Amino acid sequence: QKEVEQNSGPLSVPEGAIASLNCTYSDRGSQSFFWYRQYSGKSPELIMSIYSNGDKEDGRFTAQLNKASQYVSLLIRDSQPSDSATYLCASRKAAGNKLTFGGGTRVLVKP
Amino acid sequence: SAVISQKPSRDICQRGTSLTIQCQVDSQVTMMFWYRQQPGQSLTLIATANQGSEATYESGFVIDKFPISRPNLTFSTLTVSNMSPEDSSIYLCSVEASRGAGELFFGEGSRLTVL
Repeated sequence: QKEVEQNSGPLSVPEGAIASLNCTYSDRGSQSFFWYRQYSGKSPELIMSIYSNGDKEDGRFTAQLNKASQYVSLLIRDSQPSDSATYLCASRKAAGNKLTFGGGTRVLVKP
Repeated sequence: SAVISQKPSRDICQRGTSLTIQCQVDSQVTMMFWYRQQPGQSLTLIATANQGSEATYESGFVIDKFPISRPNLTFSTLTVSNMSPEDSSIYLCSVEASRGAGELFFGEGSRLTVL
């Protein structure tokens, strides 16, 4: 079992709709969770981090964490073609420890 | 976030040669991480580089193949030794944010193609 799992996609979303990305993790010792966006040929850029159960909103992005279910999600509201990218979920046990990445979900927003 | 510069951004290398990738950060950071991203794959940690100590390698990666230097708090190098086509990847340097709870930021990456 991979430590961090994501559906590889592609997740096809009409422009203006909500894109919903899911991520599960196996290590209950994980404390911090991160969503990165990676455009083709570019390095990952941090979108959001979340550490506590519940929702965290930042602009059009909402991250959700449920530690009991070992589940992290990312919602992208009002999806734009510029949101088309691969989204990487990552977990971390503590600051100073490595990030473990999932395989990524490719999102395609169609005009 | 820190500004992270990597060199080279890309290179084409011959089998059996070695290449050193440099990572320069615009601020002092305690921990630097080297990741590899093979074509179509996610990121895999190669090693953690701390200033003043030996790098810590992940399972499947060894110092002879991926020697790392960390001479100061703003600079690190990763060498890919005796390269084979299987080493064709993007190599990414990353650093931990000085504040917050451990966000990592990445350099632009070094895309290596081994022929």
